[in-house]
Amino acid sequence: QKEVEQNSGPLSVPEGAIASLNCTYSDRGSQSFFWYRQYSGKSPELIMSIYSNGDKEDGRFTAQLNKASQYVSLLIRDSQPSDSATYLCAAINQGGKLIFGQGTELSVKP
Amino acid sequence: DTAVSQTPKYLVTQMGNDKSIKCEQNLGHDTMYWYKQDSKKFLKIMFSYNNKELIINETVPNRFSPKSPDKAHLNLHINSLELGDSAVYFCASSQEGIEAFFGQGTRLTVV
Repeated sequence: QKEVEQNSGPLSVPEGAIASLNCTYSDRGSQSFFWYRQYSGKSPELIMSIYSNGDKEDGRFTAQLNKASQYVSLLIRDSQPSDSATYLCAAINQGGKLIFGQGTELSVKP
Repeated sequence: DTAVSQTPKYLVTQMGNDKSIKCEQNLGHDTMYWYKQDSKKFLKIMFSYNNKELIINETVPNRFSPKSPDKAHLNLHINSLELGDSAVYFCASSQEGIEAFFGQGTRLTVV
């Protein structure tokens, strides 16, 4: 079992729709969780971090964390073609390692 | 001012050669990482240093050797390069428990 798992996609949504990206993690001792966006040929850039249960909103992005279910999600409202990228879920496990999921490719169609 | 910088951005070399990739961060972070990203975009951790000390050493061939002269620098030396080493290598830095910032990546192609 991978430590951090995501649906690899691709996930395709129409412009203006909500994109929902999901992630599960196996190390119950993980405390810090992140969503990164990576455009093709570029480096990952942080878009959200979340450390406690519940929702965290930043503009069109909402991260959700449920530690009991070991589940992290990212919602992108009013999706734009410029949101088309690979989204990487990451967690810092109990050993202090920053571990990434395999990424979900998102395509937003105009 | 670039927070995490890696050089070179592109590296094309022949099998059997030895090469190095350099990384520097000016964020004052204590922890630095090397990741390998394969063609399927999976980011696999290779090494992690905290304050110049190796704290994570994943199962990578001995041909890969990280060196941290100080906490702002983490270099990666690769001996006897093989075709399978072709990938994008990312350096990153973080302060404990918070988000990591990535360098621009080094695309290594072994021919």
